[in-house]
Amino acid sequence: ILNVEQSPQSLHVQEGDSTNFTCSFPSSNFYALHWYRWETAKSPEALFVMTLNGDEKKKGRISATLNTKEGYSYLYIKGSQPEDSATYLCAQRHSGGSNYKLTFGKGTLLTVNP
Amino acid sequence: DTAVSQTPKYLVTQMGNDKSIKCEQNLGHDTMYWYKQDSKKFLKIMFSYNNKELIINETVPNRFSPKSPDKAHLNLHINSLELGDSAVYFCASSQVTTTDTQYFGPGTRLTVL
Repeated sequence: ILNVEQSPQSLHVQEGDSTNFTCSFPSSNFYALHWYRWETAKSPEALFVMTLNGDEKKKGRISATLNTKEGYSYLYIKGSQPEDSATYLCAQRHSGGSNYKLTFGKGTLLTVNP
Repeated sequence: DTAVSQTPKYLVTQMGNDKSIKCEQNLGHDTMYWYKQDSKKFLKIMFSYNNKELIINETVPNRFSPKSPDKAHLNLHINSLELGDSAVYFCASSQVTTTDTQYFGPGTRLTVL
């Protein structure tokens, strides 16, 4: 994997469903993995940042896990609500010379139907 | 108080004009960024300044010139605007530490006619 990739590209779920999506990234020179939530017509807002293999973070009904050895992170939403509808972005920060830079994936667009 | 602010929010201009977008952050961060959201809504880094020093300069036409008068400001000047420059431009800031969470401004929607 050369770039940060997210799947699926979009997802429709019913209110109350639990869901998850994936971020894949190059495992070499890993420094940190960020998740952002981006509502339409707003700006991205930070959800989590994880740095260590096996990290798990949780904020309310949203949680994330990190596997740096195989290069993936999962974002989970339990009991989805319509207000969870947004694009979820992951971004990787590398170690080394370019480590000021976050490389973003293209996002997963989540729509929660009432 | 707004953490990262951008002005203007909307900018409509003619091809060939020169325009500037301003960004200010009051978070005390040492690093600021400009991103372009392309037509497919993909966020792509353009520039980054750390303590007023340019540290990231991606492959961007040299019609785009960032300027950082101090740590709290990073402005983007665009010369000879082209149709393809139409996009939403986001400013962000961070404190470069282990976490380096970036805080984004509200975006400036630039439309070139």
